Amino acid sequence: AQKVTQAQTEISVVEKEDVTLDCVYETRDTTYYLFWYKQPPSGELVFLIRRNSFDEQNEISGRYSWNFQKSTSSFNFTITASQVVDSAVYFCALSEAGYGGATNKLIFGTGTLLAVQP
Amino acid sequence: NAGVTQTPKFQVLKTGQSMTLQCAQDMNHEYMSWYRQDPGMGLRLIHYSVGAGITDQGEVPNGYNVSRSTTEDFPLRLLSAAPSQTSVYFCASRRQVQGGEQFFGPGTRLTVL
Repeated sequence: AQKVTQAQTEISVVEKEDVTLDCVYETRDTTYYLFWYKQPPSGELVFLIRRNSFDEQNEISGRYSWNFQKSTSSFNFTITASQVVDSAVYFCALSEAGYGGATNKLIFGTGTLLAVQP
Repeated sequence: NAGVTQTPKFQVLKTGQSMTLQCAQDMNHEYMSWYRQDPGMGLRLIHYSVGAGITDQGEVPNGYNVSRSTTEDFPLRLLSAAPSQTSVYFCASRRQVQGGEQFFGPGTRLTVL
């Protein structure tokens, strides 16, 4: 069965600090997809990144970077030089390829609340 | 494109009342799903559909019904609301491909008294 664990419930940092959000996943599939979503205080869910299980290259997008390590089943998210606008709940999610991809459900972790103080 | 739309944004029900949460998408996505979000529990899958006429249960289906008569619409029905169904409900859609990005609606905040 697929499972996503985000052990950090809340993190508080001061602006300009770097912060890493942890995500550990469980799956029996060899083909799967990992996602990060951001939920700002306004409540909508914003897609940040998708990574498939065959691509272990790290990804950098501006101040955001993601470290995918199959050996530890982790897909961690780092924000460099955090800003107040980064304050949000961040969700990690997993989708298995499944049989023919027809029913590949997206399962979420419980989220990490990041508070960036000015 | 409007993307994924949900109505209403807010709703208050009394225990035992029924209602339907509406969800529509204009992206011609085959796959649609409903999640509920509760504090400390993330988003949990209620029901999903891989196309018109096809639905299946997710993690927490009890107390909810769905149907999919068109590609665009995927309503969620609460037949007899209970306080345990107080939550924020999100509808999502995506193309029916492996690892397809899900697009979420703005959510419906439901309170059952």
